[in-house]
Amino acid sequence: GEDVEQSLFLSVREGDSSVINCTYTDSSSTYLYWYKQEPGAGLQLLTYIFSNMDMKQDQRLTVLLNKKDKHLSLRIADTQTGDSAIYFCAESRSGGYQKVTFGTGTKLQVIP
Amino acid sequence: GAVVSQHPSWVICKSGTSVKIECRSLDFQATTMFWYRQFPKQSLMLMATSNEGSKATYEQGVEKDKFLINHASLTLSTLTVTSAHPEDSSFYICSKTGYRPNEQFFGPGTRLTVL
Repeated sequence: GEDVEQSLFLSVREGDSSVINCTYTDSSSTYLYWYKQEPGAGLQLLTYIFSNMDMKQDQRLTVLLNKKDKHLSLRIADTQTGDSAIYFCAESRSGGYQKVTFGTGTKLQVIP
Repeated sequence: GAVVSQHPSWVICKSGTSVKIECRSLDFQATTMFWYRQFPKQSLMLMATSNEGSKATYEQGVEKDKFLINHASLTLSTLTVTSAHPEDSSFYICSKTGYRPNEQFFGPGTRLTVL
């Protein structure tokens, strides 16, 4: 079945860039997502990318997709303490509502 | 602001009792809602898709009689964990579909601890 993997933890200093990596196995994935989960809050969709795109930029967020290697990354520029959270990579296929498969989440710790 | 709420946020119960968790859509009606289970340091596992006015669709391996889902109104879905056991202790999260492709709005989750 589908599998999405991420490293569990990342620590960066405030002001530096953060790069969170994700690998997936489903070659039929059409949508790839990044969700953010803050303590006590629900998951929030940060951004998503279609599988026919290589890159998507949204303010401080840059998503890079290497479809050949099934590798997705999220870069956060000028990381702030408010960016501390768990970041989930997820994927799904196209065609109406398709099941979304989530990774294990990467806990980002921003050191002041 | 939050568009999906869950109640309670934390519940502790004795083994053998049943616990009901509510998931409410606060802004627009939600004909489809989802229930997930999240273990520590693990990803979200989709348990079932809740459809208003019809039976829920359960994922493979999820016991229908154990996890009862009721979606009686367009803004409320409930998950009842029946005859709870310590292994049912987990973080239960609900969601509803959003505007962008396959976007989901998630509730804050309910932490269930079964003693």
